[in-house]
Amino acid sequence: GQQLNQSPQSMFIQEGEDVSMNCTSSSIFNTWLWYKQDPGEGPVLLIALYKAGELTSNGRLTAQFGITRKDSFLNISASIPSDVGIYFCAGHPDRGSTLGRLYFGRGTQLTVWP
Amino acid sequence: DVKVTQSSRYLVKRTGEKVFLECVQDMDHENMFWYRQDPGLGLRLIYFSYDVKMKEKGDIPEGYSVSREKKERFSLILESASTNQTSMYLCASSFRLGAKYSNQPQHFGDGTRLSIL
Repeated sequence: GQQLNQSPQSMFIQEGEDVSMNCTSSSIFNTWLWYKQDPGEGPVLLIALYKAGELTSNGRLTAQFGITRKDSFLNISASIPSDVGIYFCAGHPDRGSTLGRLYFGRGTQLTVWP
Repeated sequence: DVKVTQSSRYLVKRTGEKVFLECVQDMDHENMFWYRQDPGLGLRLIYFSYDVKMKEKGDIPEGYSVSREKKERFSLILESASTNQTSMYLCASSFRLGAKYSNQPQHFGDGTRLSIL
């Protein structure tokens, strides 16, 4: 199956700092999604990207669909304690019948110190 | 808002039992998915379904089966539970735009934390 490499695996930052994480794939994707999972909850969709080069914001979050179509980035500005959680990238490959299946990165665990 | 509801948040069962995990979505989505989540391994797809009575194996189907008798409901069945099936189980659903292709986001339930003793 498709492999998504997400980095870093974990981050420990001070409140107010900016955060960057990224995701790369071995093949071209036509959709990139970013999810956040709070402890004990299911993942919640943060941002969806559908076009190469697309840059989309959701409050303090900004995500970009890489122009090679093999990567995506998520930035969080001025982090706050409630940003704590696991952030997942996910995507749909460009070719073939996928039947809606998503491929996921292994997640970035974010810890924010007050 | 999309609502994906999993029948139990926490479940404790014994080795060898037959276990049913239920998932219901209220958005008329064609696609439904079952994942398990383990520390360090991320989300792994067990089975998915793109229509009523249709199912496809994911990456780790062994020891599991599924049932989709109605569009809104997707059940995961552990035929004979074992301790290595202790995990967080997540259900998700999404729209299917075409006959075989869809790039729509998936929406998740809150998960069922299953312990097999």
